[in-house]
Amino acid sequence: AQKITQTQPGMFVQEKEAVTLDCTYDTSDPSYGLFWYKQPSSGEMIFLIYQGSYDQQNATEGRYSLNFQKARKSANLVISASQLGDSAMYFCAMMRTGGGNKLTFGTGTQLKVEL
Amino acid sequence: DAGVTQSPTHLIKTRGQQVTLRCSPKSGHDTVSWYQQALGQGPQFIFQYYEEEERQRGNFPDRFSGHQFPNYSSELNVNALLLGDSALYLCASTEDRYMNTEAFFGQGTRLTVV
Repeated sequence: AQKITQTQPGMFVQEKEAVTLDCTYDTSDPSYGLFWYKQPSSGEMIFLIYQGSYDQQNATEGRYSLNFQKARKSANLVISASQLGDSAMYFCAMMRTGGGNKLTFGTGTQLKVEL
Repeated sequence: DAGVTQSPTHLIKTRGQQVTLRCSPKSGHDTVSWYQQALGQGPQFIFQYYEEEERQRGNFPDRFSGHQFPNYSSELNVNALLLGDSALYLCASTEDRYMNTEAFFGQGTRLTVV
């Protein structure tokens, strides 16, 4: 079974500052993928970034980077230069490779960007 | 290119009734998964359809059933609605269920059971 833990229910960050959202996971699968999604109040899940369990380098997508520490089973999301539009709910999720794209989500972190 | 579309966007039903939610996947995607997201929680996997068959199922009772059509669109049916079924129902599509690929989500259907 897979489990995702997000221990920060809410986070505040000032505009233009960087923020780290924590995610730890638990799985016995040898190969898996880790994802971060953003959910604005409209409800749609927006894909941000992906990290494969065998990827040697941390993933980056524009202002988003994933700090992957496999031995610690953590996959923290770093958002640089925060913008007001980054205010949303953020979910960490994982899937087992070959597991049919089934995602297991954490409980999310509500991020608020302030002026 | 249209992404994942879901209908309706909002729905109010009475306890005991039945409901059908609809989803059209992103063009080129053949696998559709449904998730239930209760207020303040992360989405929970309900089931997945591929080649018109249910391929995986989460921990949901048989009151939850689905269907996939030849054009890959899908329906989620919930019978004998309970107050606890009130949630945002999200549909996601992927193009290759054997690889770790990004799932594209619709905006969801917000179901309220009264």
